[in-house]
Amino acid sequence: GAVVSQHPSWVICKSGTSVKIECRSLDFQATTMFWYRQFPKQSLMLMATSNEGSKATYEQGVEKDKFLINHASLTLSTLTVTSAHPEDSSFYICSAPVTFEQFFGPGTRLTVL
Amino acid sequence: AQTVTQSQPEMSVQEAETVTLSCTYDTSESDYYLFWYKQPPSRQMILVIRQEAYKQQNATENRFSVNFQKAAKSFSLKISDSQLGDAAMYFCAHLYNNNDMRFGAGTRLTVKP
Repeated sequence: GAVVSQHPSWVICKSGTSVKIECRSLDFQATTMFWYRQFPKQSLMLMATSNEGSKATYEQGVEKDKFLINHASLTLSTLTVTSAHPEDSSFYICSAPVTFEQFFGPGTRLTVL
Repeated sequence: AQTVTQSQPEMSVQEAETVTLSCTYDTSESDYYLFWYKQPPSRQMILVIRQEAYKQQNATENRFSVNFQKAAKSFSLKISDSQLGDAAMYFCAHLYNNNDMRFGAGTRLTVKP
């Protein structure tokens, strides 16, 4: 099956700093990727849809100036959490669609101190 | 908008026994896909089974099978001969148009030896 990687797998940062998370499709091209956030003991919540070569589409309630998404190539999407605060601490997961199926990255655990 | 409901926050099953996890969804579309994902403690999303709405036959994957009732918008997962490795969070998901995937709240399955 298709493989999606994420980097880093975990990151700890100080409040006020920015953090970049990468999502890569390793063996296929993805014109669209999705970013989810998962708080402890909760479900995955779609944050935004990343579109190669165009602006991302954000879900209602997600601050696009805080969560910057760049989909610069057919195999890479990045999520940058700007001016991170402790409430941004969460598990971030990306996915990419292949033939009516979603392939998920292993996730990135972000802890903001 | 599609919504997915999992009414069982937690379920427990004895090893080697059978358990059924419930899922209902709401959609106005006639063509869509439904999924069950497993999320073990590693938090990697693992596809368990997929059902295409236009297929009346219930999908099966070894010990995993679904009961898909399109008119009732119900999509339950049956795990037969439960194993200790089946213990995890299980998420029901609805996908429309290879794009918008929505998840239920999840069911935590415990397998007792």
